[in-house]
Amino acid sequence: DADVTQTPRNRITKTGKRIMLECSQTKGHDRMYWYRQDPGLGLRLIYYSFDVKDINKGEISDGYSVSRQAQAKFSLSLESAIPNQTALYFCATSDLGQHQETQYFGPGTRLLVL
Amino acid sequence: LAKTTQPISMDSYEGQEVNITCSHNNIATNDYITWYQQFPSQGPRFIIQGYKTKVTNEVASLFIPADRKSSTLSLPRVSLSDTAVYYCLVGANDYKLSFGAGTTVTVRA
Repeated sequence: DADVTQTPRNRITKTGKRIMLECSQTKGHDRMYWYRQDPGLGLRLIYYSFDVKDINKGEISDGYSVSRQAQAKFSLSLESAIPNQTALYFCATSDLGQHQETQYFGPGTRLLVL
Repeated sequence: LAKTTQPISMDSYEGQEVNITCSHNNIATNDYITWYQQFPSQGPRFIIQGYKTKVTNEVASLFIPADRKSSTLSLPRVSLSDTAVYYCLVGANDYKLSFGAGTTVTVRA
């Protein structure tokens, strides 16, 4: 969905390096999320933000940090990358909606930590 | 969040109907049932949501029995491009969506 973009799409880095993954959205949603997905597994929530001044840890936040620079931008940083952070990372935004929340995902960033 | 159980994988052939059943015995009164589809190397995509009986859109149908303890996603006349992972989620305006392993549907020619 072009409404949610992620950069870079692929990244190779070395252990100990700091890297940043960026997410931008044009959907006008207040809520944004960062997930990681490992092969054969579901998505696990890293961090989420309900508005520019709100940041919350998800189930696997250790080793990660985030920044909500604006309503449309939500960045994920790996302060000191390690090999087990090799994964597919997804950014998502959400529309609270009338019933169950619907999330809209970006195309993902494939990260390899050597 | 209500726990859901769905098959790990299903195989089908082009032109067939695929039905994926999800069990959610602990569904709460306010919970809705939502299905997402994920193609390889892409993010999940919302496909359908329902509360009871039947919901149909251009992509799929969702059947929910009266007791709501299960639901069935029906994909009519699948094609190779329907090969994907399908996730069943149950909740009510829960921002903490729980994507399990989902059901991997493989469509063969």
